[in-house]
Amino acid sequence: ETGVTQTPRHLVMGMTNKKSLKCEQHLGHNAMYWYKQSAKKPLELMFVYNFKEQTENNSVPSRFSPECPNSSHLFLHLHTLQPEDSALYLCASSQTGGGLEQYFGPGTRLTVT
Amino acid sequence: QKEVEQNSGPLSVPEGAIASLNCTYSDRGSQSFFWYRQYSGKSPELIMSIYSNGDKEDGRFTAQLNKASQYVSLLIRDSQPSDSATYLCAAPKISGYALNFGKGTSLLVTP
Repeated sequence: ETGVTQTPRHLVMGMTNKKSLKCEQHLGHNAMYWYKQSAKKPLELMFVYNFKEQTENNSVPSRFSPECPNSSHLFLHLHTLQPEDSALYLCASSQTGGGLEQYFGPGTRLTVT
Repeated sequence: QKEVEQNSGPLSVPEGAIASLNCTYSDRGSQSFFWYRQYSGKSPELIMSIYSNGDKEDGRFTAQLNKASQYVSLLIRDSQPSDSATYLCAAPKISGYALNFGKGTSLLVTP
């Protein structure tokens, strides 16, 4: 595996389900990010982790819960989501916590029914 | 004023022409700038980075940076229909660890 990988690529879940998105980076980076991109809307930064520590939470609802066990892995735990949470969820990584290039994974297309 | 601003377009150019995409930023202290290409339904792909004033060329792409005017541009020479995508401009946030992304400019290259 190379670059940034994300699983699953597609997810359909009901509003009462609990699911998790997984991201793994194989670039030796130490910062990881979650973004949300709704249809025809700009990227929205959700969370930032630098050396496993959360450094930014952009007022994300608590039904989204991130986890970063090490610098290579990032999870987004989902529970009791709303239909408006349907979007493309993107993971990215960079060499340091800021200022340098971010590389994106392919994304998870989430549909909440 | 938003940190990074781009015209949303769409910008339409004929095949073979030069496409010019523009971006302005508000933080005079920004030292690095990035252009990403995003095809519909796909994730952003980094295509150019620029750190110093002037031009940087990579194949058909040229990034131009003017720090005095707080202006970054991306030129695509010999535009191809496969260049049709949304182009995102990004610069580091003033504080914390993240990039500020513009809303993106939609480019359509017509055969």
